[in-house]
Amino acid sequence: DTGVSQDPRHKITKRGQNVTFRCDPISEHNRLYWYRQTLGQGPEFLTYFQNEAQLEKSRLLSDRFSAERPKGSFSTLEIQRTEQGDSAMYLCASSPPRLQYNEQFFGPGTRLTVL
Amino acid sequence: QKEVEQDPGPLSVPEGAIVSLNCTYSNSAFQYFMWYRQYSRKGPELLMYTYSSGNKEDGRFTAQVDKSSKYISLFIRDSQPSDSATYLCAMRIGGSYIPTFGRGTSLIVHP
Repeated sequence: DTGVSQDPRHKITKRGQNVTFRCDPISEHNRLYWYRQTLGQGPEFLTYFQNEAQLEKSRLLSDRFSAERPKGSFSTLEIQRTEQGDSAMYLCASSPPRLQYNEQFFGPGTRLTVL
Repeated sequence: QKEVEQDPGPLSVPEGAIVSLNCTYSNSAFQYFMWYRQYSRKGPELLMYTYSSGNKEDGRFTAQVDKSSKYISLFIRDSQPSDSATYLCAMRIGGSYIPTFGRGTSLIVHP
């Protein structure tokens, strides 16, 4: 499968614990995005990488959230001291190196439940 | 008021019907318009991608953009039960890689 992959697919954790999610983009895509989606809402942008550089972060990304993309390949999203409000689907997407038709291809998501 | 408005539905239609899904937006700088399909508990899948005004057709799907009215539509002909999903519109300004999504419309096509 050459699509975007995410791991784990589901994560249940207790409030206050730290969690880390991984995203592997499509191999030739240099741009990688993280979104959060809650029930009945569209994806909300969190952060974006071009190669290994984190170029943009949303105000939604509190200081408990950190994302990395070492070597411009896979990316990780860590949430520290999880809260019940962090329960959501965390989506990763990647896109190829052209602006005009910057189609984003999404992974299956990681569903986080904070108890 | 959100930048992109989309009726959440659900929209229930019989198999074979023509479906019309719509979004309105407030930011006149939006230039690129997308429609994604999202099945339950899955990631969104890109269906259509259009630039500027006009129509674009792909199989049973037609995307329409009316920039003067700030209104976009997705038409699905000969709808099938397998089309049952949430349809998300998304749009972005030129020079930005980040789209703004609508909340999605839930479509149910019953046999």
